[in-house]
Amino acid sequence: NAGVTQTPKFQVLKTGQSMTLQCAQDMNHEYMSWYRQDPGMGLRLIHYSVGAGITDQGEVPNGYNVSRSTTEDFPLRLLSAAPSQTSVYFCASSPRGRGGSYEQYFGPGTRLTVT
Amino acid sequence: SQQGEEDPQALSIQEGENATMNCSYKTSINNLQWYRQNSGRGLVHLILIRSNEREKHSGRLRVTLDTSKKSSSLLITASRAADTASYFCATPNGGTSYGKLTFGQGTILTVHP
Repeated sequence: NAGVTQTPKFQVLKTGQSMTLQCAQDMNHEYMSWYRQDPGMGLRLIHYSVGAGITDQGEVPNGYNVSRSTTEDFPLRLLSAAPSQTSVYFCASSPRGRGGSYEQYFGPGTRLTVT
Repeated sequence: SQQGEEDPQALSIQEGENATMNCSYKTSINNLQWYRQNSGRGLVHLILIRSNEREKHSGRLRVTLDTSKKSSSLLITASRAADTASYFCATPNGGTSYGKLTFGQGTILTVHP
């Protein structure tokens, strides 16, 4: 299994441009999430999904859209990039676990710079 | 808002020594997880401890959970240079995880050969 894959690894955008960060998992996990990691801030949840066709907002959703048309894919769209969105983005997936406890599997990350 | 807060923010030790990191959280949880992140990489799950467990072991890792104090600790025994990484605690966001975790800011561990 490839696990969780993310593309691209690096991206530079100009302010106002849009783009999509790709995330895919081949473990048939129901739950998928997007986080951003900024220095000294830990990881913050952007959006998450509990299954195909179901998404919801996390802690910092503004400026991002998601969709989940298949179990495998969970793309993150930046609508109009801003310098404040410069960050490292991680996608994660987790299986349905017993008792509401879900170990998450992370992708390698996408390093995004907005100038 | 940050649910988990790690302490210390940075820890520097020699190979062979033990490393202890602490995590405090604010709301009731049904589990707490610890993750490791090597520089420039994604996070890797280390261990999950449920709210009805007080201690859990995995190899050289020992995790404790005190729900009355809302705190957890991660002990790495006989540390190695390869243990150099950032360590994060994470708690479910909103009762059960449902793919949502709240992470602390992490402890940066440096193990000197």
